[in-house]
Amino acid sequence: EDQVTQSPEALRLQEGESSSLNCSYTVSGLRGLFWYRQDPGKGPEFLFTLYSAGEEKEKERLKATLTKKESFLHITAPKPEDSATYLCAVGGAQKLVFGQGTRLTINP
Amino acid sequence: KAGVTQTPRYLIKTRGQQVTLSCSPISGHRSVSWYQQTPGQGLQFLFEYFSETQRNKGNFPGRFSGRQFSNSRSEMNVSTLELGDSALYLCASSAGQPQETQYFGPGTRLLVL
Repeated sequence: EDQVTQSPEALRLQEGESSSLNCSYTVSGLRGLFWYRQDPGKGPEFLFTLYSAGEEKEKERLKATLTKKESFLHITAPKPEDSATYLCAVGGAQKLVFGQGTRLTINP
Repeated sequence: KAGVTQTPRYLIKTRGQQVTLSCSPISGHRSVSWYQQTPGQGLQFLFEYFSETQRNKGNFPGRFSGRQFSNSRSEMNVSTLELGDSALYLCASSAGQPQETQYFGPGTRLLVL
């Protein structure tokens, strides 16, 4: 069975304090690893798709990387507006499987 | 390009009633997937429709059903509502290949009393 585990569950940082979120996965036949950002009461907003080990993608203060067993979402010099829940999902043979998310809070 | 739209945004129902939720995908997208999101279980896959056919299904009881129309718009129906059905119901659309990115709508917040 496809599984996704995200850690930590919650992370509180000071503005400007860089860190990384982890997404570990087991899937039979990875068809893509997806990162989303979700604000309270809203639908997930697409950030990145990674398809193969070694692939990296960047957008503003965020950078996503992928290995054969895990993905990292690195956040550099975060700002308060980066506060959100970050969701990781893997595309298996038939559907997306989501992790429980990491709730990120950036204090000014 | 307009994003995924869902209606209604909020619903309050009582136990035993039924409810229909609607989703309009991004123009040109033929796949629509439905998810249930709760604080305890996270995002759970309900089902996916592609070209008017259910292509995949999650582990939910038969009270949860859906359909897709020829214009790719989709509806989800929940019959005999239970308190535990209170959740944020999310719809996502994609072009249709399994490796393609799914784009989510804003969700429908359902409260069952």
